[in-house]
Amino acid sequence: DSGVTQTPKHLITATGQRVTLRCSPRSGDLSVYWYQQSLDQGLQFLIQYYNGEERAKGNILERFSAQQFPDLHSELNLSSLELGDSALYFCASQRGAGSGNTIYFGEGSWLTVV
Amino acid sequence: ELKVEQNPLFLSMQEGKNYTIYCNYSTTSDRLYWYRQDPGKSLESLFVLLSNGAVKQEGRLMASLDTKARLSTLHITAAVHDLSATYFCAVDTGNQFYFGTGTSLTVIP
Repeated sequence: DSGVTQTPKHLITATGQRVTLRCSPRSGDLSVYWYQQSLDQGLQFLIQYYNGEERAKGNILERFSAQQFPDLHSELNLSSLELGDSALYFCASQRGAGSGNTIYFGEGSWLTVV
Repeated sequence: ELKVEQNPLFLSMQEGKNYTIYCNYSTTSDRLYWYRQDPGKSLESLFVLLSNGAVKQEGRLMASLDTKARLSTLHITAAVHDLSATYFCAVDTGNQFYFGTGTSLTVIP
């Protein structure tokens, strides 16, 4: 158990809908990363937050947004869902940012868009 | 954009054999990480390499980092079935972790 908690573990929704994925980082970790993993795209970095502020942005679609709250949990919002958004979404956390510490992954949220 | 390339992408090896997975990256960095992922599961941190020449070993796995060559290797010694998984390297630029494509390892009895 990495200490990173993600909910829900599985989610099935229809095209055009909106979902929210939630992540609680390890105790004491200030950075949260979101990744998307699909068979054809591999592990894609979406976005990083550090202590409530956006720190880095990767290949995140405009239909997707995220935030990190004062208690350091984070949410990834996916809207106007398309079939191609079906993937495993990981949250990871890190003690600092750019600190040389590894990042710890949650168990992921399986999203299926039908 | 930073590229992190692993090879091979797929590796099938017999139990008891040795093999090396390579991770090449295209930018200057002295922070390199290795992860393991079982099918449908999360990524588990294996090694953290934070300087040129760093070598870490755990059981049958040994990782090394050559920052001048921008190369890290993951060496498998006397493979066993339990090592079957996908292995990822990741480069930390201070702003992002860039992951390689992954190497899917299957160890055959």
